This record gives sequence, structure tokens and C-alpha cells, in this order.
Amino acid sequence: EAQVTQNPRYLITVTGKKLTVTCSQNMNHEYMSWYRQDPGLGLRQIYYSMNVEVTDKGDVPEGYKVSRKEKRNFPLILESPSPNQTSLYFCASSLQYTDTQYFGPGTRLTVL
Amino acid sequence: GIQVEQSPPDLILQEGANSTLRCNFSDSVNNLQWFHQNPWGQLINLFYIPSGTKQNGRLSATTVATERYSLLYISSSQTTDSGVYFCAVDPYDKVIFGPGTSLSVIP
Repeated sequence: EAQVTQNPRYLITVTGKKLTVTCSQNMNHEYMSWYRQDPGLGLRQIYYSMNVEVTDKGDVPEGYKVSRKEKRNFPLILESPSPNQTSLYFCASSLQYTDTQYFGPGTRLTVL
Repeated sequence: GIQVEQSPPDLILQEGANSTLRCNFSDSVNNLQWFHQNPWGQLINLFYIPSGTKQNGRLSATTVATERYSLLYISSSQTTDSGVYFCAVDPYDKVIFGPGTSLSVIP
């Protein structure tokens, strides 16, 4: 089944404790992206990747890191999480950036 | 940067009614997509429609790129259509989402 998976789905952590949210797709897509969704602010792009080893900042990259060592995986790293990073996070992928995007199920992160 | 607006912000429909959702954008784009976020939070792509008209069952979409807007039509609405509808544009290699239209379909 073609899909985008994210793990974990739910996470409660404390300020400053490094964490990684994994994202994997099995559709051989070139383009992958991370978004956060916040009430009143909608969906905002954090980072995106046009292909392996190519990543770039979206609209809200501060406090996040990403890497794209393999085509299928695009982990989101929070080196020192803070409460303002409490949010619902979505990973998405598409064949190319101009193509239909497929979203993962979301990761709800709470930083205390 | 590019601005994306959606209207109306909220919509309540009786089951069986039709509706039109609008997405306006302030600059030229390479791509426009419509998504539905269901009440459980899942985001589903409805249409990839940089221009022209597409139909999928009770849903159809039209994008007029030269006039910088897109319309999503929902006919014979069902309770399962409830949720938030987003349009998203790709003016370059980033993706910009509109604020969404929250739709509630009541039996």
C-alpha cells in the first residue's frame, strides 16, 4: 500500500530534550516536506527536500533540522524543543514538488 | 510573499445542499491543490489543478490561473464531507496553504 508513515503519532516531552520524528514514504517520491499546524495559523511549511541531500527552509524553520540521506526517509529533528513547538506535525511527499502531495497521519507533539 | 485567501471561513450546510468554496491567490503559481482535512485530522488530496476543470464524483474544481482564483464545488453534500478544506499553492518550490474553509454538513 502506497503511504507516508510518521512516528511517533503522539509525543509528550520536556523542554530541551532532543527528539526526532521519523517520516518514511514507499512511493519513490522525490519531494518531501514537513508542516506544522497550529490553531489560527493554519498549515505552515517547516522544511522541504527536492531530492536526496537537497533540503531547504520553508516559512518556519527556526528550531528544526532535517536530513535526507535516503530518498524514502525525511526525519525532523528538534535539537532543543521548546513549548512554542507544541503543535501537530505533518510529513508529506510528492513525485515532484509540482505534483499531488500525500500526507502522513500526523504527529501531535507537546513540549512541557 | 504570496497571499492565499479562502472564503467563506465557515459554512454550515444541510445534507443534500450544494456549495462553492473559493481560493484567491495574489501572484502567479505553478500549482494549486485542494485538500480535505477530516474531523480526525487526516489530510487528503482532492485535486491537483493548476488550471482548468476537474471532476471527481460529487466534487469538482476549477482554476482560472490568469485571474488568480480557484473554486471547489461540492454537490449533494453528505455528513462525511464535514471538515476543513484547504487550498495550497506552489509559487516556486515552497508550498503555501490558505487558512481553510470549515464545513459542517448537518443531517
